[in-house]
Amino acid sequence: GEDVEQSLFLSVREGDSSVINCTYTDSSSTYLYWYKQEPGAGLQLLTYIFSNMDMKQDQRLTVLLNKKDKHLSLRIADTQTGDSAIYFCAESKEYGNKLVFGAGTILRVKS
Amino acid sequence: KAGVTQTPRYLIKTRGQQVTLSCSPISGHRSVSWYQQTPGQGLQFLFEYFSETQRNKGNFPGRFSGRQFSNSRSEMNVSTLELGDSALYLCASRSGQGGEKLFFGSGTQLSVL
Repeated sequence: GEDVEQSLFLSVREGDSSVINCTYTDSSSTYLYWYKQEPGAGLQLLTYIFSNMDMKQDQRLTVLLNKKDKHLSLRIADTQTGDSAIYFCAESKEYGNKLVFGAGTILRVKS
Repeated sequence: KAGVTQTPRYLIKTRGQQVTLSCSPISGHRSVSWYQQTPGQGLQFLFEYFSETQRNKGNFPGRFSGRQFSNSRSEMNVSTLELGDSALYLCASRSGQGGEKLFFGSGTQLSVL
């Protein structure tokens, strides 16, 4: 079956690193995504990783994938107040199609 | 390049009415998907269209339907509205040619009274 789980809330201080975790159940997932949603807005694609990769880095963002444990994480370095938002993890079995989303993690950055 | 455009931004309807939402994908993108976002159920896949054909459908009743035009623009229709249909409806587009990047619009906030 398909299920994606995330922790609901994370609070960090400005300048610290944030790590948002996600677990998924479908081993046939091909792509795993991280999206950001700010209040009243749609979803912004942050980054994604193909299932045969272990890690992907994109500026302040680092995605780690542990396929054995079906665990995905998003690390945000030097977290800023503008990073405060809801972060969604999602999986897809087919290129960008029919994404299954987690419930979202609320990231609060304290100055 | 313009992003995914959804209209209207807000909509208020009453139970029993029907509603049509519109989505214009990123230029050159041929695949359009629709998602429903509610506080209780989160983000759920409704359906995907590619080259005017529905390719995938989520687990929603037949009251939810959609279509795609030859210019890739898409519309979503919900008939006989229920209170539980109140949600943010998000449209997303991708190139469709192994396009793994899915880009979302800002959504249409539908309130059913």
